[in-house]
Amino acid sequence: AQKVTQAQTEISVVEKEDVTLDCVYETRDTTYYLFWYKQPPSGELVFLIRRNSFDEQNEISGRYSWNFQKSTSSFNFTITASQVVDSAVYFCALSRELVQGAQKLVFGQGTRLTINP
Amino acid sequence: EAQVTQNPRYLITVTGKKLTVTCSQNMNHEYMSWYRQDPGLGLRQIYYSMNVEVTDKGDVPEGYKVSRKEKRNFPLILESPSPNQTSLYFCASSPGLRYEQYFGPGTRLTVT
Repeated sequence: AQKVTQAQTEISVVEKEDVTLDCVYETRDTTYYLFWYKQPPSGELVFLIRRNSFDEQNEISGRYSWNFQKSTSSFNFTITASQVVDSAVYFCALSRELVQGAQKLVFGQGTRLTINP
Repeated sequence: EAQVTQNPRYLITVTGKKLTVTCSQNMNHEYMSWYRQDPGLGLRQIYYSMNVEVTDKGDVPEGYKVSRKEKRNFPLILESPSPNQTSLYFCASSPGLRYEQYFGPGTRLTVT
């Protein structure tokens, strides 16, 4: 079965600290896609990054970085020098294409990140 | 502006009174889906559609119906709402699940 686990329900840090959000996934597929989304207090869902299962290169975008490791089925997200505006709920998600073109998308439970000034 | 719109944004209703939440996208996306968000459970997929007249169940389809008569619209229908359907609902579209989802602003539904 396809599953995404974000074991950290809530994280609270002081501004400027680095913080890592964990994401562990389960799938038997060889081709799949991983995503991170941000949900700020205003409620909308904002896309952050996509990774396919054949691309294990780490990604850096400003203060954000992602570490994809197939060997441990993890796709962790690190915020460097956190800021109050980073406070949000973050979701990790896994998608796959089934036979006959059907598609499934599964989200983790989310991690609520609070950055305190 | 590329966007996904949902209406209404907030709805309070009573048990058993049929309701429809509309969803529309202007990006010509083939894939559309509905999710519900509940505390501690993340987002769970209700139904999805890969194209006009092609729909399929997600993980929590009970109590919901959908239709896809036009590419841009994907309404969610609750024929007989119950209190356990109180939730935050999101519609999303994308060119396919290899790509990121574009989410609507959400509809907060309360069933009393």
